[in-house]
Amino acid sequence: GENVEQHPSTLSVQEGDSAVIKCTYSDSASNYFPWYKQELGKRPQLIIDIRSNVGEKKDQRIAVTLNKTAKHFSLHITETQPEDSAVYFCAARGYSTLTFGKGTMLLVSP
Amino acid sequence: ETGVTQSPTHLIKTRGQQVTLRCSSQSGHNTVSWYQQALGQGPQFIFQYYREEENGRGNFPPRFSGLQFPNYSSELNVNALELDDSALYLCASSLMSSGSVETQYFGPGTRLLVL
Repeated sequence: GENVEQHPSTLSVQEGDSAVIKCTYSDSASNYFPWYKQELGKRPQLIIDIRSNVGEKKDQRIAVTLNKTAKHFSLHITETQPEDSAVYFCAARGYSTLTFGKGTMLLVSP
Repeated sequence: ETGVTQSPTHLIKTRGQQVTLRCSSQSGHNTVSWYQQALGQGPQFIFQYYREEENGRGNFPPRFSGLQFPNYSSELNVNALELDDSALYLCASSLMSSGSVETQYFGPGTRLLVL
């Protein structure tokens, strides 16, 4: 089955800095890669996603890049703000099921 | 916020008991997936239902079972509860079209504690 590795497990940045979270996947058939943000005690919320026919996607301060050959994808957050502090999960989907990484706790200090 | 709801929000059970968790899908969605999220971990796929039939299953024992109803709401049943079943249980609804599942939207989860 699919295996998703996510790094780093924790990331501390100063407000205004950029943050990068990286994931690798094992199943070359995976074709959809969403990123979820989960605040303490709340549900995971989709923040951005990318499909295998696209190399990069951007939404305001958030961008995702995908390298199908290397089977890795990354989340980039620019101009970080304290409200970006949360746990971020990457995921990969083959036919129908999502396999999640173990998460990255992002802490943005004012 | 998504239109996915779950009940109850919290539940305490003792080892060996049985539990039923419920999920109401977002309007227009025909597929529901269930996940178990242990503390400090990512969600782990339990199973998925499409048109009232199981459409994929993760590495969970048969004591984890489910149902999907004609209105696309769903239940997760867990028999013979074990301490390790303590976790946040999330359902996610989505629309399956052309054989492919689109974006999954999560409910708020049910936090289960097994004593």
